[in-house]
Amino acid sequence: QKEVEQDPGPLSVPEGAIVSLNCTYSNSAFQYFMWYRQYSRKGPELLMYTYSSGNKEDGRFTAQVDKSSKYISLFIRDSQPSDSATYLCAMSAGAGGTSYGKLTFGQGTILTVHP
Amino acid sequence: ETGVTQTPRHLVMGMTNKKSLKCEQHLGHNAMYWYKQSAKKPLELMFVYSLEERVENNSVPSRFSPECPNSSHLFLHLHTLQPEDSALYLCASSHDLEGASGTYEQYFGPGTRLTVT
Repeated sequence: QKEVEQDPGPLSVPEGAIVSLNCTYSNSAFQYFMWYRQYSRKGPELLMYTYSSGNKEDGRFTAQVDKSSKYISLFIRDSQPSDSATYLCAMSAGAGGTSYGKLTFGQGTILTVHP
Repeated sequence: ETGVTQTPRHLVMGMTNKKSLKCEQHLGHNAMYWYKQSAKKPLELMFVYSLEERVENNSVPSRFSPECPNSSHLFLHLHTLQPEDSALYLCASSHDLEGASGTYEQYFGPGTRLTVT
């Protein structure tokens, strides 16, 4: 079983739709959760960061973490063609002792928002 | 130049060639990373450097050899690669090692698209 599972899609939605992207994970030690966005021919860039369970909102984006279900989500409201990209979830158990907070990534979901 | 830059952006090499990938970060960060990104697979962490010291070699074959001469530059030396090594190689940096200062943001370069023939 992979540590982090993410449906690769592709996902195609019309402009203005609400998009839901999800990841599940198996390592209960994960407590830091991130969403990265990767445009074509570019490297990933951090979009949202959440610690532990709960919701975080930033403009049209909402990140949700449910640690009891080991499930995280990213919602995009009023989606735009400029949101078309690959979205990668990433998570970490945090730094502790002699180890650093290594990131574990999902494989990414390809999203296309068409006008 | 700003952010993280990588050269070359595209590389085609034969299995017997030797080549090097270069990464430079202009952010004053202390940690740098090499990742491999293959289609339909998660990002695979290859190497991690903190203050020019390697802190992780994630079971990477010896045909990949990293070098970090200073905190701004990172190289990946390639030799006798296999066709399955064809992928996008991403370099990233962060202010400190992930979690060391309570942050988890990595800044990525655009990657080098490597094709091994």
